[in-house]
Amino acid sequence: QVQLQESGPGLVKPSQTLSLTCTVSGGSISSGYYYWSWIRQPPGKGLEWIGYISYSGSTYYNPSLKSRVTISVDTSKNQFSLKLSSVTAADTAVYYCARQFNPWGQGTLVTVSS
Amino acid sequence: QPVLTQPPSASASLGASVTLTCTLSSGYSNSKVDWYQRRPGKGPRFVMRVGTGGIVGSKGDGIPDRFSVLGSGLNRYLTIKNIQEEDESDYHCGADHGIGSNFVYVFGNGTKVTVL
Repeated sequence: QVQLQESGPGLVKPSQTLSLTCTVSGGSISSGYYYWSWIRQPPGKGLEWIGYISYSGSTYYNPSLKSRVTISVDTSKNQFSLKLSSVTAADTAVYYCARQFNPWGQGTLVTVSS
Repeated sequence: QPVLTQPPSASASLGASVTLTCTLSSGYSNSKVDWYQRRPGKGPRFVMRVGTGGIVGSKGDGIPDRFSVLGSGLNRYLTIKNIQEEDESDYHCGADHGIGSNFVYVFGNGTKVTVL
């Protein structure tokens, strides 16, 4: 069965770019008609959809984050990635990747602090 | 886009039942809602999708039969019967809206379920 695992720095300085990678195992990112998602949950708050990408590279972003977000896919590595630019403390959150919305990775905490 | 409203907490005694509510904002009575379970230290797990006619599609992998859904008006319900200790989790609802470049997916703030 498909499993997803997030990886990347746990600490990012304000104004810098947050970069995370999601590695997919148990299935090919190129197979099927799935979109591959990024979602986050700030401490004490609800989930927020960031955006998603198809295996062919079509992207859809949350309008509230669109100006700062880039999601890309590397089918040769069976991975997809998130870049969030100009981060502030408000971007501190647990970041999840998912195949559309099922299944999800276990999440990774990213803290924005100097 | 819809706004999803969930009560912050719910509780039930071991073996009892609990019903969680996700309320869609006005004008979205035809929207389907997805339910997710987020256990401590783990990523969310898809439970099932619900519309006004009940479950849409299949339950998520490993979701017990004691989980069921109903939909009525603007409300989408998740009921857990014979609640067990392992059901103590945060439960989130989510819904999609729009197509193509106008697509957006929104979540409720989640309900924390405590098993007494």
